[in-house]
Amino acid sequence: DVKVTQSSRYLVKRTGEKVFLECVQDMDHENMFWYRQDPGLGLRLIYFSYDVKMKEKGDIPEGYSVSREKKERFSLILESASTNQTSMYLCASSDPLGGTREQYFGPGTRLTVT
Amino acid sequence: DQQVKQNSPSLSVQEGRISILNCDYTNSMFDYFLWYKKYPAEGPTFLISISSIKDKNEDGRFTVFLNKSAKHLSLHIVPSQPGDSAVYFCAAWSGANSKLTFGKGITLSVRP
Repeated sequence: DVKVTQSSRYLVKRTGEKVFLECVQDMDHENMFWYRQDPGLGLRLIYFSYDVKMKEKGDIPEGYSVSREKKERFSLILESASTNQTSMYLCASSDPLGGTREQYFGPGTRLTVT
Repeated sequence: DQQVKQNSPSLSVQEGRISILNCDYTNSMFDYFLWYKKYPAEGPTFLISISSIKDKNEDGRFTVFLNKSAKHLSLHIVPSQPGDSAVYFCAAWSGANSKLTFGKGITLSVRP
């Protein structure tokens, strides 16, 4: 069974802290993605990666960075957390040759920055 | 500039009736369209997709219709069940970069 796991379901951090969100997939997928979901705004793409060591900016990369040292792991980093980064963070992976073009999502991390 | 639009924020339907969820898009280069379902505090789960060269795809109670000339797609759920109550996201896939562009979602409530 396909699996994407995220390191934490709930996280509370203080303004200015450095925050690491980890995502691991066990499907040997090349593509991995980080989104944030906010009420009324849908899912917005932060960063994505097509391969190890590769990264591309999504629609809202400001305030974030990513790391992909291994194929199965994609990390999202908030260099200095701010209250406007309070959100639900969702990781996803996909096979670029997948017939349905589906992305498989993890359960999400609800991050609160105080 | 919103390329995928779900203009209705919510929909309420009686159990057993049909739910019709609508989605519009602006980019004619999208190759696939997908629907996801999301419960609170969970990640989205894939429901159904359709290629841009087709006009209908069916999977059990779920059918997606695509009207390319109108740049419009819809998801039909028949019959609707209380467990279908969730947020539904329409998404469009581009072969140029393997990215999905999501709409803002619509909250479906199915009344018993």
